Amino acid sequence: DTGVSQDPRHKITKRGQNVTFRCDPISEHNRLYWYRQTLGQGPEFLTYFQNEAQLEKSRLLSDRFSAERPKGSFSTLEIQRTEQGDSAMYLCASSLDRTTDTQYFGPGTRLTVL
Amino acid sequence: GNSVTQMEGPVTLSEEAFLTINCTYTATGYPSLFWYVQYPGEGLQLLLKATKADDKGSNKGFEATYRKETTSFHLEKGSVQVSDSAVYFCALTLNTNAGKSTFGDGTTLTVKP
Repeated sequence: DTGVSQDPRHKITKRGQNVTFRCDPISEHNRLYWYRQTLGQGPEFLTYFQNEAQLEKSRLLSDRFSAERPKGSFSTLEIQRTEQGDSAMYLCASSLDRTTDTQYFGPGTRLTVL
Repeated sequence: GNSVTQMEGPVTLSEEAFLTINCTYTATGYPSLFWYVQYPGEGLQLLLKATKADDKGSNKGFEATYRKETTSFHLEKGSVQVSDSAVYFCALTLNTNAGKSTFGDGTTLTVKP
């Protein structure tokens, strides 16, 4: 399967703990996006990479959130000192080079903060 | 800012019924428009898209026409099947904003045999 993959698929953690998620995009895709989706709502943009450069961050992304894409391939999203409000589905998507290119989504990581 | 408003669900139809899910948008520039589908337990999949006014996107019997004058992109299918049961999301992307997408809140469709 050469689609977008995410790991883990589910994560349960206690409030105050740090968590890290991984996204592996489609191999030739230069653009990588992170979104967050809460129950009953559509995905909301968090951040975007062009190769290894993080070019935009949403105001939704507080200082507790950090994302990297060190070699322009896989990406990680870390949440420090998790809060119950961080519970959501975290989605990764990738696309080729242009803004009009189709984004392909991974299956998501469901985070539950107790 | 940019926003997408979808017809509220859930929508329940009998097999072979006609489907319309309304979607309207506001955008600060000229958007590309998309419909995504999310089947139970699966990730978002692109269903169809249109990149300029009057374009019609189509896939798997679904269609949507980009109407700039009414800022709409309504999804239609002439005869739904049980396998079409899913959540449908309308979304837009502006060429000027790095390709990030703005999504509606989704419409849940249930098709009964």
